[in-house]
Amino acid sequence: SQTIHQWPATLVQPVGSPLSLECTVEGTSNPNLYWYRQAAGRGLQLLFYSVGIGQISSEVPQNLSASRPQDRQFILSSKKLLLSDSGFYLCAWTSRAVYTEAFFGQGTRLTVV
Amino acid sequence: GDSVTQMEGPVTLSEEAFLTINCTYTATGYPSLFWYVQYPGEGLQLLLKATKADDKGSNKGFEATYRKETTSFHLEKGSVQVSDSAVYFCALSDYGNNRLAFGKGNQVVVIP
Repeated sequence: SQTIHQWPATLVQPVGSPLSLECTVEGTSNPNLYWYRQAAGRGLQLLFYSVGIGQISSEVPQNLSASRPQDRQFILSSKKLLLSDSGFYLCAWTSRAVYTEAFFGQGTRLTVV
Repeated sequence: GDSVTQMEGPVTLSEEAFLTINCTYTATGYPSLFWYVQYPGEGLQLLLKATKADDKGSNKGFEATYRKETTSFHLEKGSVQVSDSAVYFCALSDYGNNRLAFGKGNQVVVIP
């Protein structure tokens, strides 16, 4: 069966520090991968998605970047965090088949102080 | 582009009450429709889905029917429990689109 791992679960970082969040998927090949952010009391904002290794699409220009060094690995990064980067970050995957649902990781609670 | 609209504001109701959360969508093709649930501090879990018109998705007492004529996928449950307190998201996936479109979510609070 397929599983998705996301870590760390919680993170407190000072303003100006770097960020690296990692997500890996097991049990499937060639997934589409996604990073979402959920601000407190708000809906989901799609940040990045990837349809293959090295292929990254950015939905919102901002202080973050994403990379996909391996087929089932997706990394969210920042060189210098801002206070506004605080939020709940969710990784998700879908299969390449049409009409498929997304499967989500457990999320990372990031607090920038 | 594809979009999903959910009713505004949180929903507060008493245990055993009837729950309805409205969801309407806009899509260029023939999308699949989903309801996700998010419990506090967790990721999203798929609650139910429907892949074509008139399909009814159901799970854990929740139901939603894919209505193409009204472009709707309203979520219902006949008798809610305190454990149903969560945030509920409506979403769609359209053919050829690499990403799901999500509604803004509705916080549901069930009071004992």
